[in-house]
Amino acid sequence: GAVVSQHPSWVICKSGTSVKIECRSLDFQATTMFWYRQFPKQSLMLMATSNEGSKATYEQGVEKDKFLINHASLTLSTLTVTSAHPEDSSFYICSARDPSRVHFGQGTRLTVV
Amino acid sequence: GQQVMQIPQYQHVQEGEDFTTYCNSSTTLSNIQWYKQRPGGHPVFLIQLVKSGEVKKQKRLTFQFGEAKKNSSLHITATQTTDVGTYFCAGYQAGTALIFGKGTTLSVSS
Repeated sequence: GAVVSQHPSWVICKSGTSVKIECRSLDFQATTMFWYRQFPKQSLMLMATSNEGSKATYEQGVEKDKFLINHASLTLSTLTVTSAHPEDSSFYICSARDPSRVHFGQGTRLTVV
Repeated sequence: GQQVMQIPQYQHVQEGEDFTTYCNSSTTLSNIQWYKQRPGGHPVFLIQLVKSGEVKKQKRLTFQFGEAKKNSSLHITATQTTDVGTYFCAGYQAGTALIFGKGTTLSVSS
C-alpha cells in the first residue's frame, strides 16, 4: 500500500481562490518532504524542499508567497497555492524519503478555471 | 546545480523490438532511480541503483549504473504494448532532492 498519501487527487478551483494540498507519510516520520510540479508532457520539476519545523527551501523561480508550504509535523506537509490562476494548473506531487528510498504521493491534478 | 539529462525524448518501436533510454548526470550520484509514468498517472518506482557498475534485471527490463556513477540506462527487450509510457531517471545526491531527467516517452505499435 501507499506509504505517502496525497490529498486531494484532483481539484478544480476558480481563479483567485486558494487550494491546499496535503502530503502525509503513513508509516514513517519525514523531517523532509519534497514538492514537485509537472506540466503536461514535461518532467517533474522540484519546487521546494519542506523542512519540519522550519521554513521551506524554494527552487529558483518558484514564488514562495504564492506556494505556501507548511511542515508542522513529522508526517504532514501542506502546499497551498494562493490566488490561483489558470497558469497554475498542473500536476503537483509530493515525496518523502524513508531509510530505504523515496516514496511519492499519488499526485494532485489542479485545474484553475 | 545538478542536472540530469535523458535521451531520447521520444521513441517509437514495433512490438517485439528492443528499446533503450539513457541518462547522464552532470555530477556523481549517490544513487539513480527509474520511474515509469502512464498518461494521467503518477510516477511509479521501478528500481534504484546504488553501486558503481551495478546491473539489475526485472524480467525484460535491464538497468545499468555506470562505473563513474554518472550515467545509467534502461533497456527493454522485446517490447510489448504494456510497456508504453514515459520512463524517467532521477538522480540522487545525499542531502538533496531527486532530480528528474526529462523522460523518454515510449510508444509501441502492434
